[in-house]
Amino acid sequence: QVQLQQSGPGLVKPSQTLSLTCAISGDSVSSNSAAWNWIRQSPSRGLEWLGRTYYKSKWYDDYAVSVKSRITINPDTSKNQFSLQLNSVTPEDTAVYYCARDKIVGATTLNFDYWGQGSLVTVSS
Amino acid sequence: QAVVTQEPSLTVSPGGTVTLTCGSSTGAVTSGHYPYWFQQKPGQAPRTLIYDTSNKRSWTPARFSGSLLGGKAALTLSGAQPEDEAEYYCLLSYSGARVFGGGTKLTVL
Repeated sequence: QVQLQQSGPGLVKPSQTLSLTCAISGDSVSSNSAAWNWIRQSPSRGLEWLGRTYYKSKWYDDYAVSVKSRITINPDTSKNQFSLQLNSVTPEDTAVYYCARDKIVGATTLNFDYWGQGSLVTVSS
Repeated sequence: QAVVTQEPSLTVSPGGTVTLTCGSSTGAVTSGHYPYWFQQKPGQAPRTLIYDTSNKRSWTPARFSGSLLGGKAALTLSGAQPEDEAEYYCLLSYSGARVFGGGTKLTVL
């Protein structure tokens, strides 16, 4: 059974960096048949896919255009986890942040088949 | 970045049928967008109902079905139940990027 456990601060000051970690159990961040996503949800912006990282002989990442200049998603193979860093945050970045797994099964990718518990991050001074 | 559009809200009577749609600002939605449908209830993470246009997960009730309809992805609920009252989100893939729709609040009344 895959479990994703999120951690990180719930309050970030404007202009600072939002950092969250998603610890994986029951799978490997280096799996060739998985990808690791960050998604957020707010009343004003709804659900928003932020980006993902995955390993296929080397590490790749994809990011949403809306945050591409400010985001980094990094795998940590030593701890079997991955992280989100979002720079220069504003109150608009206040949201519940989720990590989620994609699973590749044959020719099909099952998007977001497992989710973390969600982390409310508030951007405020 | 593409914009994915859904009806903001719909109402269906218990036992009735309703179709939710998902459009793309880039043109017709095709199977190549790998349309997904998620159901979300308050306080919970979204859960997949339909993937790759019309495929169901093991927990997806038979009354839900997915299709392409008139250039959009569609989620049809036939025989609505009170427990189907929820927010429904579609997701489309654009090469490596994914974009969610704004969600449809479905009321069963």
